Amino acid sequence: GAVVSQHPSWVICKSGTSVKIECRSLDFQATTMFWYRQFPKQSLMLMATSNEGSKATYEQGVEKDKFLINHASLTLSTLTVTSAHPEDSSFYICSAGISGRPDTQYFGPGTRLTVL
Amino acid sequence: AQSVTQLDSQVPVFEEAPVELRCNYSSSVSVYLFWYVQYPNQGLQLLLKYLSGSTLVKGINGFEAEFNKSQTSFHLRKPSVHISDTAEYFCAVTLTGTASKLTFGTGTRLQVTL
Repeated sequence: GAVVSQHPSWVICKSGTSVKIECRSLDFQATTMFWYRQFPKQSLMLMATSNEGSKATYEQGVEKDKFLINHASLTLSTLTVTSAHPEDSSFYICSAGISGRPDTQYFGPGTRLTVL
Repeated sequence: AQSVTQLDSQVPVFEEAPVELRCNYSSSVSVYLFWYVQYPNQGLQLLLKYLSGSTLVKGINGFEAEFNKSQTSFHLRKPSVHISDTAEYFCAVTLTGTASKLTFGTGTRLQVTL
């Protein structure tokens, strides 16, 4: 099956710094990538949808200036958490898929972000 | 907008016993349905999906689910569980014919004990 990787798998940073998380589709070209956030013992909340070469579409309530998403190629999307604060601590999961094919979304292993 | 309800937040079961995890959805249009499994500190793995055709869908690890349109349900079943099945299970839906924007249920924690 298709493989999606995320880097780093975990990161600890100080409050006020920025953190970049990478999501890569290793063996297929992903026209669409999704970023989710998951709090402990809760479900996944979609943050934004990004299509290669265009601006990301953010869900209601997600600050686009705080969570910067770039989808510069068909195999790489990045999420940058700017000026991170402790409340941004969470598990961030990306998924990659092919536009128009709802059965082809593949999930990365997730990144645990802890902001001190 | 579509929504997914997983009424059971936790399901304890003994090893080798059968299990059913319930999922109900709400949507005014056709949907695709999915079950995912998440092990601790990991991403999601697809167990099975219903797109069309036969309402009984078989997935990996011995799981199966049945789509019931009249009851708007997509319950997940396994006839005999193993300790290794202990994990969080998420039901999800997406609208047909659109980009793959998934809506997830709140999850069910399956706890298998000896």
